[in-house]
Amino acid sequence: GENVEQHPSTLSVQEGDSAVIKCTYSDSASNYFPWYKQELGKGPQLIIDIRSNVGEKKDQRIAVTLNKTAKHFSLHITETQPEDSAVYFCAARLIQGAQKLVFGQGTRLTINP
Amino acid sequence: DVKVTQSSRYLVKRTGEKVFLECVQDMDHENMFWYRQDPGLGLRLIYFSYDVKMKEKGDIPEGYSVSREKKERFSLILESASTNQTSMYLCASQPGQAQTEAFFGQGTRLTVV
Repeated sequence: GENVEQHPSTLSVQEGDSAVIKCTYSDSASNYFPWYKQELGKGPQLIIDIRSNVGEKKDQRIAVTLNKTAKHFSLHITETQPEDSAVYFCAARLIQGAQKLVFGQGTRLTINP
Repeated sequence: DVKVTQSSRYLVKRTGEKVFLECVQDMDHENMFWYRQDPGLGLRLIYFSYDVKMKEKGDIPEGYSVSREKKERFSLILESASTNQTSMYLCASQPGQAQTEAFFGQGTRLTVV
């Protein structure tokens, strides 16, 4: 089955700097790659997603890139702000079957003022 | 507004008890999921359901069962709670179409003593 690896497990950056989180997946049949943000005491919430027919997608300060050949995708956050501090999860979804999401291990991002 | 509601935020149960975790969604979604979240392990899928009375095992189903008698409600059952089931449990729902967002509840933190 699908396996998703996420790095780093923790990341600390200065406010205003950029943060990058990387994920790799194992099943080339996966074609949907969402990123979720989980704030303290809350459930994960989708922040951006990308489909396999697209190489890059951007939404204001957040961007995701996908390399299907290498089977990896990354989350980029620019001009980081204190409210970006959270746990971030990447995920991959297979196109066959019941469309279940397989998640990475999570990255705890801390923005230092 | 999209809503996935888990019946309890915090639960403390004794070893050997039968435990019910309830999840309700108001979006008429076909797919519902139960995940377990542990530090360093990300979100691991326990069970999922793509229709009423249908269920599929996820990656870690041992010690758990589920029930989906109505489309909006998906219950996770711990037949005989054990201390290694102490964890954060997250319910999610998703439309039946592929490549769509999954919506999460706020989580239930279960402690088994």
